[in-house]
Amino acid sequence: GENVEQHPSTLSVQEGDSAVIKCTYSDSASNYFPWYKQELGKGPQLIIDIRSNVGEKKDQRIAVTLNKTAKHFSLHITETQPEDSAVYFCAASMGSGTYKYIFGTGTRLKVLA
Amino acid sequence: ETGVTQSPTHLIKTRGQQVTLRCSSQSGHNTVSWYQQALGQGPQFIFQYYREEENGRGNFPPRFSGLQFPNYSSELNVNALELDDSALYLCASSAGGTDTQYFGPGTRLTVL
Repeated sequence: GENVEQHPSTLSVQEGDSAVIKCTYSDSASNYFPWYKQELGKGPQLIIDIRSNVGEKKDQRIAVTLNKTAKHFSLHITETQPEDSAVYFCAASMGSGTYKYIFGTGTRLKVLA
Repeated sequence: ETGVTQSPTHLIKTRGQQVTLRCSSQSGHNTVSWYQQALGQGPQFIFQYYREEENGRGNFPPRFSGLQFPNYSSELNVNALELDDSALYLCASSAGGTDTQYFGPGTRLTVL
């Protein structure tokens, strides 16, 4: 069945360092890949997304890369700050042209001051 | 612009009872999706409503049902509650024809 694998499950970095979270999806028809940040007691907040016709997208300290051939996509956060500490989820659309997501299992990022 | 809102924030029920959760979509959005997020897990897709019609369903039993109203707000109903139904229930809205979903804060359901 459709599946999204996410690694690592936890990640600790020193403030100012970079963090990378990786996901792999199984459905070759998936064409939309959002990333969400979820803080304790809150709903997921969209931080960046990428579509299958683009290989990379950047927004200030956050970037996402997509390798369609390998079915891999990654989140890169540079110059991490304590407020980046949260759980991050990747997701993939369920097939082309659908608006339902399969989520990864999440990465708990801790930025140490 | 008002974001996605959900009510209630928290809810405690006992096994076998029924529950209704509510969601108001973001202004201009006509599509609502519901997800279940168990503790420590990613959200799992329950179903989606587009212009008051169900537009796809995940692997959830029929005791999970929903409605969407003409103003695009939505309800999630769960009958015959089980202990495993304890989770955070998330509602997300999007504009029809686009794939970007915006989530509400969720309803924390505890089944005892």
